[in-house]
Amino acid sequence: QKEVEQDPGPLSVPEGAIVSLNCTYSNSAFQYFMWYRQYSRKGPELLMYTYSSGNKEDGRFTAQVDKSSKYISLFIRDSQPSDSATYLCAMSRSNDYKLSFGAGTTVTVRA
Amino acid sequence: ETGVTQTPRHLVMGMTNKKSLKCEQHLGHNAMYWYKQSAKKPLELMFVYNFKEQTENNSVPSRFSPECPNSSHLFLHLHTLQPEDSALYLCASTEVRGLNTEAFFGQGTRLTVV
Repeated sequence: QKEVEQDPGPLSVPEGAIVSLNCTYSNSAFQYFMWYRQYSRKGPELLMYTYSSGNKEDGRFTAQVDKSSKYISLFIRDSQPSDSATYLCAMSRSNDYKLSFGAGTTVTVRA
Repeated sequence: ETGVTQTPRHLVMGMTNKKSLKCEQHLGHNAMYWYKQSAKKPLELMFVYNFKEQTENNSVPSRFSPECPNSSHLFLHLHTLQPEDSALYLCASTEVRGLNTEAFFGQGTRLTVV
């Protein structure tokens, strides 16, 4: 079993739709949860960062963590063509600087 | 610009060549990483350096040799690679504190082994 599972997609949505992305994980010791966005031919860039369970909102982006279900989500509201990218979830344990990544979900927002 | 710079951006090398990838971070971080990114697969952690000491080597073949001369620079020396080593190689850095922190990535080196 992979430590972090993420559906690679691809996911195609019309402009303005809500994009819903998620990851599941098996290691209950994970405490820090991140979402990275990676445009084609670029390195990943940090999008959202949350600690433990709960929700975090930043503009059109909302990250949710449900540790009891070992499930994290990223929602993108009012999606734009510029949101077309691969979205990677990542997580780590406390006092551990190693990240475990999902495979990434490729999203296309159609104009 | 993330503050992590990788060179070269693209590299094509033969299986008998020797080349090096370079990474430099301008963020004052004290930990640096090499990751391998292949299509449809999660990022694979290759090496971690914390305060210039190598703390992780995830069973990486010896044809990949890292070097960390100081906390701002990281190299990946390549020799006698195989075609399956073709991938995007990403460098990242982070500040190791009591609590965890996020990693910042460079743009990557797209490596093709022919």
